[in-house]
Amino acid sequence: AQSVAQPEDQVNVAEGNPLTVKCTYSVSGNPYLFWYVQYPNRGLQFLLKYITGDNLVKGSYGFEAEFNKSQTSFHLKKPSALVSDSALYFCAVRDQTTINNNDMRFGAGTRLTVKP
Amino acid sequence: DTEVTQTPKHLVMGMTNKKSLKCEQHMGHRAMYWYKQKAKKPPELMFVYSYEKLSINESVPSRFSPECPNSSLLNLHLHALQPEDSALYLCASSHGQGVNQPQHFGDGTRLSIL
Repeated sequence: AQSVAQPEDQVNVAEGNPLTVKCTYSVSGNPYLFWYVQYPNRGLQFLLKYITGDNLVKGSYGFEAEFNKSQTSFHLKKPSALVSDSALYFCAVRDQTTINNNDMRFGAGTRLTVKP
Repeated sequence: DTEVTQTPKHLVMGMTNKKSLKCEQHMGHRAMYWYKQKAKKPPELMFVYSYEKLSINESVPSRFSPECPNSSLLNLHLHALQPEDSALYLCASSHGQGVNQPQHFGDGTRLSIL
């Protein structure tokens, strides 16, 4: 069965600095990886996904993520953080071997706080 | 604005009440989902509908009863809920059940059980 880990409950960065939110995964087959963001009192918003191809994936709001197969990681990055990026971020994974169902596993979430 | 609309946004109900949560999408998506989310926790999958048929029930108690009247609508009927059922209930949809399809979420219904 697939699983995903977000090792940091909280990440704090200063506005204008680069940010990284970490995610590692475990799957039986090829991973399908997703990042979502959740603002207060809102649902989850899709940011980006890795299916195949280039290891660097670009998504919404200037975010990008780097797929690293050897380290089984899919860290979310942004070159210059904004205060408005402060939110709860979830990494999620599906396993190629679960192609006949919708078993998407979410990480525990990382709360990003960007300070002015 | 989200493309998945959930009503009501907030719901307070007693343990003996019957109520329903509603979800609607007009993106032509054929897979729809119900999730439960507790504060500061990830969403937990409850049900999946694919082409209007229930395909996954994650061992959810029978006091939660899903219904998919058509490809655009998804309901969650509630009866005799417990205080621990208080949570944010999220609806989502995707083009299909393909593993590469992202899910699009509504803003949820915040449910409080008295």
